[in-house]
Amino acid sequence: DGGITQSPKYLFRKEGQNVTLSCEQNLNHDAMYWYRQDPGQGLRLIYYSQIVNDFQKGDIAEGYSVSREKKESFPLTVTSAQKNPTAFYLCASSTRDRKDRDEQFFGPGTRLTVL
Amino acid sequence: AQSVTQPDIHITVSEGASLELRCNYSYGATPYLFWYVQSPGQGLQLLLKYFSGDTLVQGIKGFEAEFKRSQSSFNLRKPSVHWSDAAEYFCAVGAKSGTYKYIFGTGTRLKVLA
Repeated sequence: DGGITQSPKYLFRKEGQNVTLSCEQNLNHDAMYWYRQDPGQGLRLIYYSQIVNDFQKGDIAEGYSVSREKKESFPLTVTSAQKNPTAFYLCASSTRDRKDRDEQFFGPGTRLTVL
Repeated sequence: AQSVTQPDIHITVSEGASLELRCNYSYGATPYLFWYVQSPGQGLQLLLKYFSGDTLVQGIKGFEAEFKRSQSSFNLRKPSVHWSDAAEYFCAVGAKSGTYKYIFGTGTRLKVLA
C-alpha cells in the first residue's frame, strides 16, 4: 500500500541534543512538507520541498534543518537551537499533477519530548 | 494577510444530532479548500476538498461542505453524528498556483455524547 511513514512514533531527547525525524513516502510525490502541531495552534509549516535537492523555509524554520537527497525521503533535524521542541511533528506529501496538485497526504506523526 | 479561522474551539453534540463546523478564510483569490480530521495521536485524514465547480462537496464518512464565496466560508456538515466522529477537525486553504503551501485553521475538537 502506498503511504507515508514516520519514525519513530515517540522520541525523547535531552536538552542540547540534535535529533532527526524520519519521513518516507512511496506515493511518488514530488512535494514534501514538515509541520509542527501544538495544542490550540493548529499546524505550522516548518519546511517544504517541491523537488529533490531543493527546499524552502516555512513559517517557523528557526532551529530546524532538512535535506532532500531522494524523492521519497525528507528527514527533519531538530537542533539544539530550537528553544521549545516538544511537540507533535507531521510529515506530508503532495503530487504536482495539475488535477490533484494541492491535496496533501499525511503521515502518522512523531511525538518529540525534550527531557 | 491570508488566514483561516475556525471560531469554535470545542463543540459537543449528542449522537444522532446534526453537526456544522465553521470555517472562514481570508485569501487573495479563490483558493483550494480542504477539511481534514485527526484522531488523537494520529495523522490527518482528508475528508473532502473543493477545487472548483459545484459548491456543495461530498466527502467520506457522510460529511459534506459548502463553499460560499460571498461569505468566504467553507462550513462542514453532517446530518447525523456517530460516536466515532469524535475527533479534531481542521480546515485548510491552499493556493491554486505558485506555492504549494497550506494555511491551517486552529482546529475544532468535537465531542459526541452517547
